Amino acid sequence: ETGVTQSPTHLIKTRGQQVTLRCSSQSGHNTVSWYQQALGQGPQFIFQYYREEENGRGNFPPRFSGLQFPNYSSELNVNALELDDSALYLCASSLAGGTGELFFGEGSRLTVL
Amino acid sequence: QKEVEQNSGPLSVPEGAIASLNCTYSDRVSQSFFWYRQYSGKSPELIMSIYSNGDKEDGRFTAQLNKASQYVSLLIRDSQPSDSATYLCAVNGGFKTIFGAGTRLFVKA
Repeated sequence: ETGVTQSPTHLIKTRGQQVTLRCSSQSGHNTVSWYQQALGQGPQFIFQYYREEENGRGNFPPRFSGLQFPNYSSELNVNALELDDSALYLCASSLAGGTGELFFGEGSRLTVL
Repeated sequence: QKEVEQNSGPLSVPEGAIASLNCTYSDRVSQSFFWYRQYSGKSPELIMSIYSNGDKEDGRFTAQLNKASQYVSLLIRDSQPSDSATYLCAVNGGFKTIFGAGTRLFVKA
């Protein structure tokens, strides 16, 4: 059974640029959630994807967008990067209709200069 | 009011002691409750889930849920230095899981 994998693990961008983060879900899982975790804070829900559609969204602006592909992998795109976007971005996979347990990848640490 | 509240700590306990971590939540329709452990620089790892009132034990960990009081707790018995981490309480009532800010636990050898 393969776990959740994310890429890249670290990246540095400058303000105003765009970034794409990628996630492969755990085998057998059909739902992907994305979280932003700032230093010293808990993970903040960005959005969730199920059946290639956004299934729910947290309090994040539209410049945060995503995709889910037929193999359940997912992308998080952030446009017009701001300094406050510097954080650990976590992808979590789960099974729709299951227990709600989330299984996280190792995260992508984004630094915006 | 935050949706999931935890004492940020740090909570310091000696090796072998019981560590008690607490969490309250605001949404009464919440159905599922979780504890995640996060080591510094790593991603969260699920350690306990609980869905009904009462206690649930798994090895040295016991999760306790009281839906009437909107309260969840985690007890760690025989604490070890390797238990030193941030413990995140998480609550799910629909499509999303909401996390608390976490409690930092230090276990002194």
